[in-house]
Amino acid sequence: AQSVTQPDIHITVSEGASLELRCNYSYGATPYLFWYVQSPGQGLQLLLKYFSGDTLVQGIKGFEAEFKRSQSSFNLRKPSVHWSDAAEYFCAVGHNQAGTALIFGKGTTLSVSS
Amino acid sequence: EAQVTQNPRYLITVTGKKLTVTCSQNMNHEYMSWYRQDPGLGLRQIYYSMNVEVTDKGDVPEGYKVSRKEKRNFPLILESPSPNQTSLYFCASSSSGRALDTQYFGPGTRLTVL
Repeated sequence: AQSVTQPDIHITVSEGASLELRCNYSYGATPYLFWYVQSPGQGLQLLLKYFSGDTLVQGIKGFEAEFKRSQSSFNLRKPSVHWSDAAEYFCAVGHNQAGTALIFGKGTTLSVSS
Repeated sequence: EAQVTQNPRYLITVTGKKLTVTCSQNMNHEYMSWYRQDPGLGLRQIYYSMNVEVTDKGDVPEGYKVSRKEKRNFPLILESPSPNQTSLYFCASSSSGRALDTQYFGPGTRLTVL
């Protein structure tokens, strides 16, 4: 069965430092992968997605993610974190080829220290 | 402004009292979905709809009902709420009939069942 694992429940990063959030997936076919962000008190917003092609995907707000099939990973990165990046981040995988649903990971909460 | 709206935003009710959470989108989207978010569990899909009059169960449909009579509206019905349905609920929509396209999320409805 498809699944998504985000190993880190909570991460604290200093403002200006680099960030990497980990995501591992289990999926039998070519995965459709997503990163969503949830700011406090808000709904989720799509940061980026990967369907095929270039394994390094650029998203909004300066985020990028790299698909590594050999490691079943889709880690999210940002070179320099801003205080406004403090939020909860969710990795997700397309549930099936028909695309009727997504499976979300349990989320990683990012705190930014000054 | 393109958006997904949910009402109410907050609701406290008692066990067994039927309630409806409304969801409306003004983007002419075909796909709509309901999720619940619980601490440590991430988002889990309750029901989804790929178009008018087409609905299907997600991962956690027990105790919920939905209908899709109009393209813009996708209400979530709890016929007999129980305390284990206390949660944060999100409605989402996407332009095509698939979850694989960018999903736009509503602001959430925080439900407490006593």
